[in-house]
Amino acid sequence: EVQLVQSGAEIKKPGESLKISCKGSGYTFARYWIGWVRQMPGKGLEWMGMIYPGDSDTRYSPSFQGQVTISADKSISTAYLQWSSLKASGTAIYFCARPIVAAALGAFDIWGQGTMVTVSS
Amino acid sequence: QSALTQPASVAGSPGQSITMSCTGTSSNVGGYNLVSWYQKHPGKAPKLMIYEVTKRPSGVSNRFSGSKSGNTASLTISGLQAEDEADYYCCSYAAGSTDVVFGGGTKLTVL
Repeated sequence: EVQLVQSGAEIKKPGESLKISCKGSGYTFARYWIGWVRQMPGKGLEWMGMIYPGDSDTRYSPSFQGQVTISADKSISTAYLQWSSLKASGTAIYFCARPIVAAALGAFDIWGQGTMVTVSS
Repeated sequence: QSALTQPASVAGSPGQSITMSCTGTSSNVGGYNLVSWYQKHPGKAPKLMIYEVTKRPSGVSNRFSGSKSGNTASLTISGLQAEDEADYYCCSYAAGSTDVVFGGGTKLTVL
C-alpha cells in the first residue's frame, strides 16, 4: 500500500525551532515529488513548496520562501518541513502529498494524515 | 488572496447537479491542462477527485466530472448526495516561481 505517514502533533513557543517529517512507503520514494500544504484554522489550502527526493531539487511558493526549509533523505524515504524560528501565525495543519503520476504537479492523490502545529506562548 | 478564484459557497438538493467554477489566468488554468479538484472534509486529508482537467482517479465516482474553458475550470457533481457536502478546492500548475496554486475553496451544502 502506498502511503505517507507524518510525525505527530507539536506544541511550540514563538521563536522555537521545529522539524516535522513525512515518511513514504510502498513506492520508490526518490521518483516522486513531495509537496507540502498548509491549512490554517478555518482557512483554505495553501501551497508551500515541494522537493524531488531523487536529486533534492526544491521549490518554494514565494509566500513561504525564506520562512521554511524543505528537505528530504531518500535513504530513509522521508521528507521534512522545518522552521528555525516559529511565529504564532505558524499554527496550522501541515500536509505532505505525492502526485498521482510522477510528473503530475498539482495532482496529489496520496496524502499524509496531517501534522497539527500549535505555536503559542 | 488566492491565485485562483472560487465562489465561497454553492448549494443543491439531493439528486440535483451543481457546478462550481475556478477562475485563473493564462499563466495557470488557461495555459495548461493541469487543473485538479480536491474534496476536503473537516479533520480529513484532501481527496483528489479530478486531475488533468477531466481525469478521475481510480475509485472516484463518475458523478464527478471536470471541464475547462479558457481561464476557467469547472467541477460538476451530478446526483448530489449528502456525503458530497464538503469544501472543494481547485488547484493548477502555474508557470513561474509558484509551480502550484490553489483556489480559496468552495463550501458545498447539500440541502
